[in-house]
Amino acid sequence: AQTVTQSQPEMSVQEAETVTLSCTYDTSESNYYLFWYKQPPSRQMILVIRQEAYKQQNATENRFSVNFQKAAKSFSLKISDSQLGDTAMYFCAFRGNDMRFGAGTRLTVKP
Amino acid sequence: EAQVTQNPRYLITVTGKKLTVTCSQNMNHEYMSWYRQDPGLGLRQIYYSMNVEATDKGDVPEGYKVSRKEKRNFPLILESPSPNQTSLYFCASSLQGPQGSPLHFGNGTRLTVT
Repeated sequence: AQTVTQSQPEMSVQEAETVTLSCTYDTSESNYYLFWYKQPPSRQMILVIRQEAYKQQNATENRFSVNFQKAAKSFSLKISDSQLGDTAMYFCAFRGNDMRFGAGTRLTVKP
Repeated sequence: EAQVTQNPRYLITVTGKKLTVTCSQNMNHEYMSWYRQDPGLGLRQIYYSMNVEATDKGDVPEGYKVSRKEKRNFPLILESPSPNQTSLYFCASSLQGPQGSPLHFGNGTRLTVT
């Protein structure tokens, strides 16, 4: 079965700085997708970014980008120019033949 | 507006009293699923449905039931709730399952079983 590991339960960053959230996964599948979801205090689950495993190019969405290392099974999220509104729980997710989520990283952006 | 509607938002009940959490989507999605979120464990899948009348167990199905009689609705039923089912529950849907389609989530149901 697939597993998703987020090794950083909590992180903090100063406003305007850059922060990287780590995620590793384990799978024997070759065709899959990876996602980062954001959960602010409102508890709504918001899609941040998506990466197709067959694409070598790293996905980017404005201030959010990923570092996808397929051989290493690593999928980290970089947030540039951190804003107070980025304060949230972030979940890494794997979707192949089934769906798996990591335990989450609670990010606090400090003014 | 395209959305997944989940009700109620908060629910407090007592052990053994049957309850249903409703979930409805207006995006004509084929795939629907239920998750529970617990601290330190992330989201774990309870049940999923690939289409009408097709449901399957996820990782933590014990104590839960689901049905998919219509494409838009996917209710979660707890026939005899117990305190260990106290959790935050999410319904989600996607255009197709599995793989590329991102999940669209409801706003969550905070369930407390005393």
